[in-house]
Formats: sequence, structure tokens, C-alpha cells
Amino acid sequence: DTAVSQTPKYLVTQMGNDKSIKCEQNLGHDTMYWYKQDSKKFLKIMFSYNNKELIINETVPNRFSPKSPDKAHLNLHINSLELGDSAVYFCASSQDPVSSYNEQFFGPGTRLTVL
Amino acid sequence: DAKTTQPTSMDCAEGRAANLPCNHSTISGNEYVYWYRQIHSQGPQYIIHGLKNNETNEMASLIITEDRKSSTLILPHATLRDTAVYYCIVRVGINTNAGKSTFGDGTTLTVKP
Repeated sequence: DTAVSQTPKYLVTQMGNDKSIKCEQNLGHDTMYWYKQDSKKFLKIMFSYNNKELIINETVPNRFSPKSPDKAHLNLHINSLELGDSAVYFCASSQDPVSSYNEQFFGPGTRLTVL
Repeated sequence: DAKTTQPTSMDCAEGRAANLPCNHSTISGNEYVYWYRQIHSQGPQYIIHGLKNNETNEMASLIITEDRKSSTLILPHATLRDTAVYYCIVRVGINTNAGKSTFGDGTTLTVKP
């Protein structure tokens, strides 16, 4: 009964391809996030959705498009993959973006390698 | 969100208390201090958070100075499984962008037998 799950765990693909990473949370949370952790281990937020609506969109290339079919899922689609997209991508969820108690639960990560 | 400064690495003997410092001199009045850790090859894990009072839970204690410009995370009895990168993050809690946070470099804590 994993709280936040991501698939796939590893993804190896060629430059120029389009790929998707899926995320699901069974915590009943309203808010979900995508983070990117680069080779230097720096973890940076990319997107945040609250009740299927986008509330945070950092400076991310428009090749990255999050999609939230319902509040338990936030998928990340990446078009025209580039070498620099290689990283570990973490999905997370929290109960409420406006609450002072804003503990985020993270998934296990998806290691993306672009060749 | 306020910027934080942490030492790059620290060692601690197993069974001893690990004290991890964090400076956040530009913290605003409505910003909370959060601590997360990331064990190798896993997702970050929430540890504790606080606003101005000291906090304690089953994992750790958080001591925030009176001027709120720095804090210390205390693991009272470190075990080998506590070896991880510890991130100190400062962000607004009551705000539509409350979830916005960027994890800095963190402190790599190595617990040694």
C-alpha cells in the first residue's frame, strides 16, 4: 500500500523521443508536485497541482507538460527529450497547499537517462 | 523563499546525538523551517517543521533560535540508518504558493559505528 508511487522506476531513451512518467497517490491529498533532481543532487520543484488545477509552474521548458486526470494522479509528459533532461524525477503530494502543516510525501523517483 | 546555508558534510558516532545546523538569516515572519532527509536512491522524507517554538516528534527535535535566523535539527541517538542527506528548507506555510520549495545542497550526515 505505497503512499506515492511512480512508474517506471528507470527509463532509458534516445534523444528526440517523447516519454511519460506516471504518478499516483492513495493518501487522499489535494496537491501533487513534480521535482527534478539533477546530477549534483539539487532538488528543484517543477510543477504543482491542487485539485487538478495548476498552481505552480516554475521556469520549465514547454516540452514538459503535466497532466492531472484526477486529484490522485499527476503524470509528466516530456516531448523531444534532450540530453540535459537526464535526471531523477520525484513526484510528491501534500494535504493542502495553503495549510501551515504542509508535509510532502515523496515517491521513490524515476531515473531518466537520455542517450 | 528564504535561502538556507548548511555544512556540506558531518560525521556522527552511532548512538550519539547528531546536531545539524542551518542558517536562514533572511527568513520572513510567515516562513516555516522544514527538515527533510534523503537516504541514498530514495525519495526525500519529511522529518519535522516549526515556526518559532522548538518542536519534537518521534524522529527528531528542532531548535529554532529566538531571532529565527538559524535552527538545529537534533537526532538524539543516531543509528547507521540515519546516514542520509539532510535538507533544511524555509518556505511560507499559509500562502497559495505554500508548496513551492527548492531543496538546496543539504548536509550529508554519515553515522559511523
